[in-house]
Amino acid sequence: DQQVKQNSPSLSVQEGRISILNCDYTNSMFDYFLWYKKYPAEGPTFLISISSIKDKNEDGRFTVFLNKSAKHLSLHIVPSQPGDSAVYFCAASKDNQGGKLIFGQGTELSVKP
Amino acid sequence: GAVVSQHPSRVICKSGTSVKIECRSLDFQATTMFWYRQFPKQSLMLMATSNEGSKATYEQGVEKDKFLINHASLTLSTLTVTSAHPEDSSFYICSARGSLAHQYFGPGTRLTVT
Repeated sequence: DQQVKQNSPSLSVQEGRISILNCDYTNSMFDYFLWYKKYPAEGPTFLISISSIKDKNEDGRFTVFLNKSAKHLSLHIVPSQPGDSAVYFCAASKDNQGGKLIFGQGTELSVKP
Repeated sequence: GAVVSQHPSRVICKSGTSVKIECRSLDFQATTMFWYRQFPKQSLMLMATSNEGSKATYEQGVEKDKFLINHASLTLSTLTVTSAHPEDSSFYICSARGSLAHQYFGPGTRLTVT
């Protein structure tokens, strides 16, 4: 039962253009969502998060959009840079679960110069 | 930002032996730590939630007698893989819970069982 899904295993984008990574979830009880970036053989690093009471959160080049009715969130990276190339995981949590995160499968982003 | 370390970063052990992995929060106290494993090209799968001073909570399908977790202090949790087998070979990652639902991840431990 995959509660958090990232249906695109990979994405290739030209440097300077926008990268859009998508994530869908099935559990309407999730109330907090996070995006993590991960390089091979390293732990994930936190990028940006959004609470279910918001529909947008922006931090520099990164913006996360949340559409609760569609149970969908997306991460926009503008402009994309080669250093952004990594695997991106979305994760979701429920307030009453003690901080437990449910991760999607990840999307490997490749930004080409 | 918060720093979490893991030791060792890589370990190779023989089938049937036990391996201990340490997870430390270096600059903050963590009452809750989490242990994940990741197979190649797959997601991070939560194995267990480790609470300081109490028994760990294991996810469905994770054998608690095989993956022993101890969280003896606010800065240290350990995962011991007992009687390791080749199928236990994986990338094990710990995290420590910070504010809200943020988790700060360690760099991971690559376990290879021969």
